[in-house]
Amino acid sequence: AQSVTQLDSHVSVSEGTPVLLRCNYSSSYSPSLFWYVQHPNKGLQLLLKYTSAATLVKGINGFEAEFKKSETSFHLTKPSAHMSDAAEYFCVVSLYGGATNKLIFGTGTLLAVQP
Amino acid sequence: NAGVMQNPRHLVRRRGQEARLRCSPMKGHSHVYWYRQLPEEGLKFMVYLQKENIIDESGMPKERFSAEFPKEGPSILRIQQVVRGDSAAYFCASSPGRSQETQYFGPGTRLLVL
Repeated sequence: AQSVTQLDSHVSVSEGTPVLLRCNYSSSYSPSLFWYVQHPNKGLQLLLKYTSAATLVKGINGFEAEFKKSETSFHLTKPSAHMSDAAEYFCVVSLYGGATNKLIFGTGTLLAVQP
Repeated sequence: NAGVMQNPRHLVRRRGQEARLRCSPMKGHSHVYWYRQLPEEGLKFMVYLQKENIIDESGMPKERFSAEFPKEGPSILRIQQVVRGDSAAYFCASSPGRSQETQYFGPGTRLLVL
């Protein structure tokens, strides 16, 4: 079965310091993985996606994620946090097969950025 | 190119009333998905539709909830006889095709049941 586990419900960093949001996945086959960001009372915006091409995926706003099959991880990183990065981040795996095509969401990590 | 559009953005209903949520997919997209986000939780899949067909409704509650995506017009998520537990944000997403393509999300409809 497909699932994702986000290891931290809350992460707090200082502006200008690195960001690390952790995600582990479970999949019976090579997964498609995504990170989405949700700002307060807004919709979801796609940050990046992995679909079995390069294992290091670059996204928008300076974010990137590395797919590590041996560790079943897909952690999201950014070298230097900005105040505008404060939001909730969701790690997502795609369940695709048969007649379905749905996204399985993690429980989210709330990122706070301190000045 | 307009993104996924949802209306209304906010909806208030009293217990027992009906709620109708609308979703217009991105231009050129023929696949629509509905997700629900309960307070302080992640999104949960509800239903996947193509034009005039329900493909996967495994996440829909058995009663009071229905969805359609007619040949013309937006997709509709309908909740009959709403209860307080239906209060949530309902998000619609669309994709061009089924494969493993990205789903693009709308801004959501926040339903509050009094």
